[in-house]
Amino acid sequence: DAGVTQSPTHLIKTRGQQVTLRCSPKSGHDTVSWYQQALGQGPQFIFQYYEEEERQRGNFPDRFSGHQFPNYSSELNVNALLLGDSALYLCASSLRDRGFSETQYFGPGTRLLVL
Amino acid sequence: AQSVAQPEDQVNVAEGNPLTVKCTYSVSGNPYLFWYVQYPNRGLQFLLKYITGDNLVKGSYGFEAEFNKSQTSFHLKKPSALVSDSALYFCAVRAVMDSNYQLIWGAGTKLIIKP
Repeated sequence: DAGVTQSPTHLIKTRGQQVTLRCSPKSGHDTVSWYQQALGQGPQFIFQYYEEEERQRGNFPDRFSGHQFPNYSSELNVNALLLGDSALYLCASSLRDRGFSETQYFGPGTRLLVL
Repeated sequence: AQSVAQPEDQVNVAEGNPLTVKCTYSVSGNPYLFWYVQYPNRGLQFLLKYITGDNLVKGSYGFEAEFNKSQTSFHLKKPSALVSDSALYFCAVRAVMDSNYQLIWGAGTKLIIKP
C-alpha cells in the first residue's frame, strides 16, 4: 500500500518564477491538504482539496493556488516566487475529511529553494 | 487570536524516565487536538488526537495525552522513554477562521532521550 508521495524532492528556482509541486495521496484517500514548513517552524496550512474543489484555505496570498484531479492527486502552484517562499512543502491526505477531524498522512515533502 | 504554544524548544530526558511534552492552545469552541512526530528526513507521523470523549487519549508507540479544558492544555506523555523517541514533536489544533477550518501548528519541541 503506497503512502503519500510527492515530487520533486528538491527544487531550486529564482525570484519571480513559477513552480508546480505534485502530490499523490495514500491509496483510498480523497482529501489532500498542503502545508508550508519554514526552517525551524511548524507547518502552516495553505489549503485543502476535496472533490476537486478548494474547501478550506489558510492565510496565504492568491499567488498560491492548487488543483485536484479526478484520481485525487493534487498540485500546488506558486507564482511570482519570493525569497520567503523557500521552505519544505508538505502534502497530507485523509479520508472524507470535512473539518480536520480525520488523521492526516504526510508525504516526505518537497524542499523549495528560491534564489 | 487562535493559537497553539509549545513552551519548550527542547526537552531532555534520560532513557527509562517518564517524559512530558507540553502544549497549550487558544481556540474558539470545542478544540480538536493532535500530536504528530517528525523524524529526520521523514514525513510527519500521526501519534494521537482528541476530538471528544475521555480526556486521556492513548496513541501510537506508547504515547498518551491528557486534554485539560480548564487549563487549555494537551500535554503529551510517555511512562518510560526510549532513545528511539528522540525526534521533533508538534501539537496542532483545529480552528475556525473566516468561516474556514484550519489546522494551527505549534513551533515544535525537540525531544532528546539520552541513554
